[in-house]
Amino acid sequence: AQSVSQHNHHVILSEAASLELGCNYSYGGTVNLFWYVQYPGQHLQLLLKYFSGDPLVKGIKGFEAEFIKSKFSFNLRKPSVQWSDTAEYFCAVFMDTGRRALTFGSGTRLQVQP
Amino acid sequence: GAVVSQHPSWVICKSGTSVKIECRSLDFQATTMFWYRQFPKQSLMLMATSNEGSKATYEQGVEKDKFLINHASLTLSTLTVTSAHPEDSSFYICSASSRQDRRETQYFGPGTRLLVL
Repeated sequence: AQSVSQHNHHVILSEAASLELGCNYSYGGTVNLFWYVQYPGQHLQLLLKYFSGDPLVKGIKGFEAEFIKSKFSFNLRKPSVQWSDTAEYFCAVFMDTGRRALTFGSGTRLQVQP
Repeated sequence: GAVVSQHPSWVICKSGTSVKIECRSLDFQATTMFWYRQFPKQSLMLMATSNEGSKATYEQGVEKDKFLINHASLTLSTLTVTSAHPEDSSFYICSASSRQDRRETQYFGPGTRLLVL
């Protein structure tokens, strides 16, 4: 069955540290890829998305992600995190199976210490 | 743009009562809306896909008669939890799909926290 894996469940970083959150999916067909962020007490917000073209996509708030098709990965990166980046991050994948729904990873809780 | 609202934001009800949750796309038309459930410290689990003017498609294990979904217009979908029980207590989140040139993005509402006593 198709699935999305986020291997880092809880990440703790100091401010200014670099961030990389892993996301892997298991599906051999065409995919659209998303990263969403959920700040404490708030709703899911779209950080960035990939449909086609340049595999390195830039999103809001200095985040970027790189689609590596051969590795079935879409890792999220930020060169220097801030305390305000403390949140839950979800990777989501749309797979062209005919089922119009996103498959979510289990989420990664990022805690940035000042 | 692409704002999705939900109402109410939280609700407490007695066991056996029914609760209706509304999901609205405020600045775009959504032919498809999705309903998710999120348990504490877990990811979102898709409950059903709602298409305007047609019956919802439910995920395996989701009771159609318990979670009634209506998508009467391009900007409104409702989820009714019928005869709610304590185990239905959860965080319910809707999303609305915006589609441009066959590229589809889901935008999420703020969620509705349901507590059944």
